[in-house]
Amino acid sequence: KQEVTQIPAALSVPEGENLVLNCSFTDSAIYNLQWFRQDPGKGLTSLLLIQSSQREQTSGRLNASLDKSSGRSTLYIAASQPGDSATYLCAVVWGGYQKVTFGTGTKLQVIP
Amino acid sequence: EAQVTQNPRYLITVTGKKLTVTCSQNMNHEYMSWYRQDPGLGLRQIYYSMNVEVTDKGDVPEGYKVSRKEKRNFPLILESPSPNQTSLYFCASRISGDGTEAFFGQGTRLTVV
Repeated sequence: KQEVTQIPAALSVPEGENLVLNCSFTDSAIYNLQWFRQDPGKGLTSLLLIQSSQREQTSGRLNASLDKSSGRSTLYIAASQPGDSATYLCAVVWGGYQKVTFGTGTKLQVIP
Repeated sequence: EAQVTQNPRYLITVTGKKLTVTCSQNMNHEYMSWYRQDPGLGLRQIYYSMNVEVTDKGDVPEGYKVSRKEKRNFPLILESPSPNQTSLYFCASRISGDGTEAFFGQGTRLTVV
């Protein structure tokens, strides 16, 4: 079964810390992996998209890596800020029929 | 402005009363999909559409119908809603079925009593 897992479910860090969020998937035959943030009561905002042929993508303080062979992706957030507090979701587009599976998310709180 | 628009944003209905949640995108995207989000279960894909007149089931299609008669619209139909369909629903689109960034609507919070 194609599954996506995010650990930890929640994370609390002091402002300024660098942090890593994890996303694991069970099938290496993926098209791409996308990281989103979701603020309470709001929709999803796309952060980074990594194609299956790529190893990493960067945008500002965010860096996402992809290791298909081990079924893992990480989202690195540098110098965290209170405004980074949100739930972070990863989503995998599987090869073949282009189905999408989301992880259950990591709820991040950055404490001032 | 490029966007995915869902309507309504909030809906309370009674069991068995047919309803439709609309979704429209203005980016000429081929691929559209519907998700539901439930506490502890995350986002799960209900249906997706690769293009006009091409739809397929996601992981939780039971109790839902979709249609894709035009490229920009992808309505979600609940023929006979039940309380277990109370959820937060999201529509999303992307250029094509693979390798491209997904854009999400703002969500529709549905309560079935």
